[in-house]
Amino acid sequence: EPEVTQTPSHQVTQMGQEVILRCVPISNHLYFYWYRQILGQKVEFLVSFYNNEISEKSEIFDDQFSVERPDGSNFTLKIRSTKLEDSAMYFCASWDPFAGANVLTFGAGSRLTVL
Amino acid sequence: GDSVTQMEGPVTLSEEAFLTINCTYTATGYPSLFWYVQYPGEGLQLLLKATKADDKGSNKGFEATYRKETTSFHLEKGSVQVSDSAVYFCALSDPHTGNQFYFGTGTSLTVIP
Repeated sequence: EPEVTQTPSHQVTQMGQEVILRCVPISNHLYFYWYRQILGQKVEFLVSFYNNEISEKSEIFDDQFSVERPDGSNFTLKIRSTKLEDSAMYFCASWDPFAGANVLTFGAGSRLTVL
Repeated sequence: GDSVTQMEGPVTLSEEAFLTINCTYTATGYPSLFWYVQYPGEGLQLLLKATKADDKGSNKGFEATYRKETTSFHLEKGSVQVSDSAVYFCALSDPHTGNQFYFGTGTSLTVIP
């Protein structure tokens, strides 16, 4: 069964460093998403991406965040200068709008720890 | 705005016990409702869904019925197994508010033999 792949599974970084989280969505999907979950809190929407541009973003997704689809397969989330509060599990998801009612397929997540 | 509230955990049950995890929602339109499950070390997987009022989603012995009158989508299973130990997330998608999903906080379930 097709799956969404995320790397790294866990990254530890120092505050102020740049981090890039990588995702390979399902190949025929058209919409791509990043969500995050701070430990013990809700899964929160960060951004959605369609047709090579951001379609929606949340208040969390400020100027420190950016997304890119640098080639036909990867979808990346960059945090320019990490803060302690960026420590969370980051989930990538993709969606095929022709496959039925808004079903997102998620990756296993990338755990980011900012020290 | 749209939101999902689900029962706080953790929940610990003995094998073959009955499970209910409560979920209620707030939405401006007519959302689709979902339960996702996260097994240890894995991503979020769709467990079941319902797209309109009175629909019942079911999968792997789990069921949830979309109740518009009570704005609820409670997850139930008649007889849990050790392999059901996971974190369960209730979620909604409302076309009126775009393509994003709204998730609850997740409920951790541990089933003991």
